[in-house]
Amino acid sequence: AQSVAQPEDQVNVAEGNPLTVKCTYSVSGNPYLFWYVQYPNRGLQFLLKYITGDNLVKGSYGFEAEFNKSQTSFHLKKPSALVSDSALYFCAVRDMRLAAGNNRKLIWGLGTSLAVNP
Amino acid sequence: DTEVTQTPKHLVMGMTNKKSLKCEQHMGHRAMYWYKQKAKKPPELMFVYSYEKLSINESVPSRFSPECPNSSLLNLHLHALQPEDSALYLCASSQESVSGNTIYFGEGSWLTVV
Repeated sequence: AQSVAQPEDQVNVAEGNPLTVKCTYSVSGNPYLFWYVQYPNRGLQFLLKYITGDNLVKGSYGFEAEFNKSQTSFHLKKPSALVSDSALYFCAVRDMRLAAGNNRKLIWGLGTSLAVNP
Repeated sequence: DTEVTQTPKHLVMGMTNKKSLKCEQHMGHRAMYWYKQKAKKPPELMFVYSYEKLSINESVPSRFSPECPNSSLLNLHLHALQPEDSALYLCASSQESVSGNTIYFGEGSWLTVV
């Protein structure tokens, strides 16, 4: 079965410190991996994705993520956290099964709430 | 800023009302989606339209009725909803391809059923 796990419900980090939000996945074939962020009372915003190529992916707002095939992980990172990064972060993987329409379905993690303290 | 526009931002409706949520995108995307999201939970897929045809219905109750009038517009018609249908409804769109196409979301419509 395809699945995504975000092992931490909440991550707390001090402003200026590096942050990591963890994501592991399980898929039958090659994964397409995504990170989205949701600020309070807002919609979901796309941050970055891994499709193929370089394992280190850079995205919006200074975020990056590293694809690790052997550990089936796609952790989100930022070198220096800002208070404004406080939000809910979702990892998602694309279901690449070949059944009609299913390649559009994103499988979502449960989300990690990031709190950056001043 | 998102290029997927949703109206209204907030909607309060009674259980006997009929209302509609509207969504528009101008990115030339040919796939459009409706998701439902409860607080602090991941979004749940409801419907997918591909080239203006319904391609996925995730066993959504018939009190939710989607409509795709053209490639830029997506509606969700609501009738006889229940209080448990109160949620954030997200519209989204993506290019229609078999590659790792990104799904772009709107800001959502907050629905309260009373």
